[in-house]
Amino acid sequence: DAGVIQSPRHEVTEMGQEVTLRCKPISGHNSLFWYRQTMMRGLELLIYFNNNVPIDDSGMPEDRFSAKMPNASFSTLKIQPSEPRDSAVYFCASSLSSNSYEQYFGPGTRLTVT
Amino acid sequence: GQQLNQSPQSMFIQEGEDVSMNCTSSSIFNTWLWYKQEPGEGPVLLIALYKAGELTSNGRLTAQFGITRKDSFLNISASIPSDVGIYFCAGQLGGTASKLTFGTGTRLQVTL
Repeated sequence: DAGVIQSPRHEVTEMGQEVTLRCKPISGHNSLFWYRQTMMRGLELLIYFNNNVPIDDSGMPEDRFSAKMPNASFSTLKIQPSEPRDSAVYFCASSLSSNSYEQYFGPGTRLTVT
Repeated sequence: GQQLNQSPQSMFIQEGEDVSMNCTSSSIFNTWLWYKQEPGEGPVLLIALYKAGELTSNGRLTAQFGITRKDSFLNISASIPSDVGIYFCAGQLGGTASKLTFGTGTRLQVTL
């Protein structure tokens, strides 16, 4: 079975550019999570969705960040405009439902903003 | 925000040795999970614990949900080189729905 799929795996962009990260959750999973991982702050939850609806976006750092989930099999995290401090590894994870705490992670997107 | 403290931060052990690491919090958690992350990859779920006092094994890995519900332990027996990675605990607080809080990680190095 396919796990969580993320693209691209690596993204290098210049400050000020728009960046879009993509995620396909495990088929049948109804909850989707976006995390950011840095050495300084560890794994931070940015936003999560249940049944395609954003439930908690309190972890989104600022208005430059936005996330959408137009259907059950696709989500995007967009940063516009990007800044060097956004450089991190961004993970998408999914779980079976809001009552299931077992989250399965994708391989991540390593973002470098120069 | 809420942090889970893991110790030790890093471990250097020899192949064949047993490993023990723990995770503590000032808050009560309803669920504890343990993940392993290898370089360039996402965290992989190892064990999930749902009841205080629960002891669960997955091969050479054994994890326990602390009686106080404020801590959890992970043991690895007879370590092998492929055990190398960063081990994270994660907890689910009551009333926070699906949200998990992740620990700071324990980096494990295994030498031959």
